[in-house]
Amino acid sequence: DQQVKQNSPSLSVQEGRISILNCDYTNSMFDYFLWYKKYPAEGPTFLISISSIKDKNEDGRFTVFLNKSAKHLSLHIVPSQPGDSAVYFCAARERGGGADGLTFGKGTHLIIQP
Amino acid sequence: ETGVTQSPTHLIKTRGQQVTLRCSSQSGHNTVSWYQQALGQGPQFIFQYYREEENGRGNFPPRFSGLQFPNYSSELNVNALELDDSALYLCASSLDSQAQHFGDGTRLSIL
Repeated sequence: DQQVKQNSPSLSVQEGRISILNCDYTNSMFDYFLWYKKYPAEGPTFLISISSIKDKNEDGRFTVFLNKSAKHLSLHIVPSQPGDSAVYFCAARERGGGADGLTFGKGTHLIIQP
Repeated sequence: ETGVTQSPTHLIKTRGQQVTLRCSSQSGHNTVSWYQQALGQGPQFIFQYYREEENGRGNFPPRFSGLQFPNYSSELNVNALELDDSALYLCASSLDSQAQHFGDGTRLSIL
């Protein structure tokens, strides 16, 4: 049973526009959420995180929104750039500090078109 | 600041063999986690080490074992290799429970 779901395997966005990547979760014990970006032949790179006590966190072009009642989070990238083309993973951690590790979605392949 | 480094980058083994994968954590980090990533899937948590002790484990059998050393580097050992063990093995380090930072992984192929 997948506890973290990324329902769009791929997403194509024009350069300069907003990219919105979505993630849903089922485990109400999750209290910390992260987004990672992965290029081929490289490990995942940490982008941004959000704690469940917040509903928004911003870092430059990246903003993560958390809707706890809907068990949904999204990553907004504005404006989208060619270097943003990668696979994006949503990950979550249970309350207690993370000794259970991160639970990942299957990823969304973002393609930025010129 | 040195990031997470893993060795080797690629490895080919046969069924029944044993393998050891290595990870050097990012400087200043004291926690190491290991993940298995199959093709088309997200990484799956294997286990985590904190101050040389295993302090969390995912749904993996005991033939997956590990070590963490005083300098916080780590090893992942897999015994009695099976075809399904073919995957990308990722190591991540963090300072306590802060965000985990990943290495580039070891691609393990079982023939």
